[in-house]
Amino acid sequence: KNQVEQSPQSLIILEGKNCTLQCNYTVSPFSNLRWYKQDTGRGPVSLTIMTFSENTKSNGRYTATLDADTKQSSLHITASQLSDSASYICVVPLSGGYNKLIFGAGTRLAVHP
Amino acid sequence: DSGVTQTPKHLITATGQRVTLRCSPRSGDLSVYWYQQSLDQGLQFLIQYYNGEERAKGNILERFSAQQFPDLHSELNLSSLELGDSALYFCASSVVGAGEQFFGPGTRLTVL
Repeated sequence: KNQVEQSPQSLIILEGKNCTLQCNYTVSPFSNLRWYKQDTGRGPVSLTIMTFSENTKSNGRYTATLDADTKQSSLHITASQLSDSASYICVVPLSGGYNKLIFGAGTRLAVHP
Repeated sequence: DSGVTQTPKHLITATGQRVTLRCSPRSGDLSVYWYQQSLDQGLQFLIQYYNGEERAKGNILERFSAQQFPDLHSELNLSSLELGDSALYFCASSVVGAGEQFFGPGTRLTVL
């Protein structure tokens, strides 16, 4: 069954600290994996897209890693800010294409001062 | 701002009623996607249109229907509404049938 699982479900950290979010997927065949940030009540915003051949990709304070062999990805947030408080969603397209996306349940991150 | 617009922002209605949600894709995008996000749940894919034609179908109920018009805007029609239909409904668009999707701000539907 094509699934995307994320952990932890929720996370609380202090401002300035780092954190790492995990994503495991069973979607096959695999073409790419995406991380989205979703503020409460808003639409998801793409942070990064990783293809099969990419191991690491950075977008500012966000760094995503991908291990296609173990079917795992992580999103590392450095020097967290209050504005990082949001849900982070791991997404994998179904059947190797882009049109149907399988969404993880997300990790809800709260950054406290 | 993703460039995708959705109206209305909020909608409150009663069970058994019918509503229409509207989405305008980014300029130049031919494909539109609809998603449902219930409270504290992940996004569920409903349906995709590409250049006016239905391209893919997800977990869309028979009470729901959608269409994409010649000007590429799309409407999602929800009928015989039930309490469980209360959710955020997102529209996304992409340039072609495959490609990065850009999400709109969503329509929050409350069924009382």
